[in-house]
Amino acid sequence: QKEVEQNSGPLSVPEGAIASLNCTYSDRGSQSFFWYRQYSGKSPELIMSIYSNGDKEDGRFTAQLNKASQYVSLLIRDSQPSDSATYLCAVTGGGGFQKLVFGTGTRLLVSP
Amino acid sequence: EAGVAQSPRYKIIEKRQSVAFWCNPISGHATLYWYQQILGQGPKLLIQFQNNGVVDDSQLPKDRFSAERLKGVDSTLKIQPAKLEDSAVYLCASSYQTGWEETQYFGPGTRLLVL
Repeated sequence: QKEVEQNSGPLSVPEGAIASLNCTYSDRGSQSFFWYRQYSGKSPELIMSIYSNGDKEDGRFTAQLNKASQYVSLLIRDSQPSDSATYLCAVTGGGGFQKLVFGTGTRLLVSP
Repeated sequence: EAGVAQSPRYKIIEKRQSVAFWCNPISGHATLYWYQQILGQGPKLLIQFQNNGVVDDSQLPKDRFSAERLKGVDSTLKIQPAKLEDSAVYLCASSYQTGWEETQYFGPGTRLLVL
């Protein structure tokens, strides 16, 4: 079983729509959860972090965490073509040091 | 604030040759990471340093990969000898901690192609 699972996509949405990206993780001891955006040929860029159950909003982005279901999601409202990228979910593996475990990423395509 | 610096940005070598990558973290960041990202996959942690000590190198292929972080600032990652499957992007990241929350920032990466 993979530690962090994401649908590889591509997820295609029209401009202005809501894009919903999902991620599940296997380690119940995980404490920190991150969404990174990665444009083709570029390095990952942190866009959201979430540490407790519920929703966290930042501009057009909302991260949702449900530790009981071991599920974290990212909603992008009013999607723009510039949001087209691969979105990586990352989770700390638990323990005393913050070892990040990444999923394989979901490719998002926003069409004009 | 300057970001994480890496060099070179691109490297092409033949198999069995050696190669070294350099990373300069964000000033004041005590923790430094090296990741390997193969095309189509998420980054995989190779080694984590806390200051100049190794915290986690469980996924580092120690028969061919080595890394050091002298003086707790810059770091180098070396591959010797390289194999075809080492073709990947090597990402360096550094982090700071606020309370128990930690944020990692990535450098631009070094693209390695092994022929």
